[in-house]
Amino acid sequence: EDQVTQSPEALRLQEGESSSLNCSYTVSGLRGLFWYRQDPGKGPEFLFTLYSAGEEKEKERLKATLTKKESFLHITAPKPEDSATYLCAVQANRDDKIIFGKGTRLHILP
Amino acid sequence: SQTIHQWPATLVQPVGSPLSLECTVEGTSNPNLYWYRQAAGRGLQLLFYSVGIGQISSEVPQNLSASRPQDRQFILSSKKLLLSDSGFYLCAWRGWKGNTIYFGEGSWLTVV
Repeated sequence: EDQVTQSPEALRLQEGESSSLNCSYTVSGLRGLFWYRQDPGKGPEFLFTLYSAGEEKEKERLKATLTKKESFLHITAPKPEDSATYLCAVQANRDDKIIFGKGTRLHILP
Repeated sequence: SQTIHQWPATLVQPVGSPLSLECTVEGTSNPNLYWYRQAAGRGLQLLFYSVGIGQISSEVPQNLSASRPQDRQFILSSKKLLLSDSGFYLCAWRGWKGNTIYFGEGSWLTVV
C-alpha cells in the first residue's frame, strides 16, 4: 500500500533559522512527488513536482530534493510569512490516485 | 488559464439531511477530478477520483457518493449526513497531460 509519512508534525523556528522538512514515501513505481503549501482555511497551493531521484527544484527560500525513499523541503532563512502547513504527496505509475501525508505545521517566529 | 470553483464555501447541516457540494473547472478539457476531505489530525484523505464522465473510483467506503455528469463538473453527495462527515472538503483537478493537481478553495461542512 502506498504511504507518505511527514516529519516533524510541527516545527517552530526563529526568523532566519534554516531547517528541513522530511517526507518519507513507499510507492510501487513513483510517477511524481509533490509539495504543497496550505494556509489555514485555504486550499493547498502547489509548490513543486519531482520525478526522479537526484532531482532538485527551488523557489525563493524553498528547495525540494528527492531520493528513492524520501524528499526534503529545505527552508533557508525563513520569514514569518513562510508559516503554513507543508504537504507532501505521491502518485504511483499504476493509477491516478494522489496520496498525501499529514503535513508539517511550520511556524516562523519574528 | 484554468480555474476551479467550489461551492458552497461553508454550510451547516443537521444530522440526517442530504448534501450536495459542487465543483467545476474552467479552461481545460477532460481533466482528472478529485474529492478530498481534511479532518484535524488526519491530513488529506482521498474520497473519490474520476478520469472521465461517469467514471468514478471510490477510495473510502462511507455514506458519501460522487458523480460526474459533465466533463468539468464533479459533485459530492450524501443522502443522510452523519456527525463524522464534518470537515473541510477539497476538490482538485489534473490536466490530461500533466501530473500536478490543483485545488479549489474548499468547502467547510459542519454537521450538527
